Amino acid sequence: KQEVTQIPAALSVPEGENLVLNCSFTDSAIYNLQWFRQDPGKGLTSLLLIQSSQREQTSGRLNASLDKSSGRSTLYIAASQPGDSATYLCAVKDSNYQLIWGAGTKLIIKP
Amino acid sequence: DAMVIQNPRYQVTQFGKPVTLSCSQTLNHNVMYWYQQKSSQAPKLLFHYYDKDFNNEADTPDNFQSRRPNTSFCFLDIRSPGLGDAAMYLCATSRGGGEKLFFGSGTQLSVL
Repeated sequence: KQEVTQIPAALSVPEGENLVLNCSFTDSAIYNLQWFRQDPGKGLTSLLLIQSSQREQTSGRLNASLDKSSGRSTLYIAASQPGDSATYLCAVKDSNYQLIWGAGTKLIIKP
Repeated sequence: DAMVIQNPRYQVTQFGKPVTLSCSQTLNHNVMYWYQQKSSQAPKLLFHYYDKDFNNEADTPDNFQSRRPNTSFCFLDIRSPGLGDAAMYLCATSRGGGEKLFFGSGTQLSVL
């Protein structure tokens, strides 16, 4: 059974720092992996989607990597800003097309 | 510019009083999903439509029903809301089952 873990559950860093959020999964037979952002009381915004055949995807200051063999994905945020404060969730689509979610990392960027 | 629209943004209902949440999309995506999300938890899939085909998750209570009258609209009906049904309800769409999900802003349901 696929399980997705995000550690740490919360992270606080000063503005301007580069940071990495982690996502690990137990079964390497995945279809794709998505990173989402969620602001308090709001819906989710898809940030990046990495297909199983891809190693990374980039969008602006965000870079997501995927290493299926080790069951890991990272979301790299460059030059963090207070507006990046949110909860970041990763979700793995398994070989049965089921979307398995991590519990999220709550990120706080201190001005 | 909104692509997945959920109404209302906040809904208050009484214990046991039926309530309907609505979702519309302008993306012409063939897959629509309903998720339930409780505070500080990951979203939980209730059901989804692949075109007109309805797919219910095994652990979705019978209290929850859904309708999709056409490609653009999808409704979540809660027949007899209990206190435990208070949550954020999120609608999402995708073009095909393996593609990126687009979420609405959610409806925050309170049950009094």
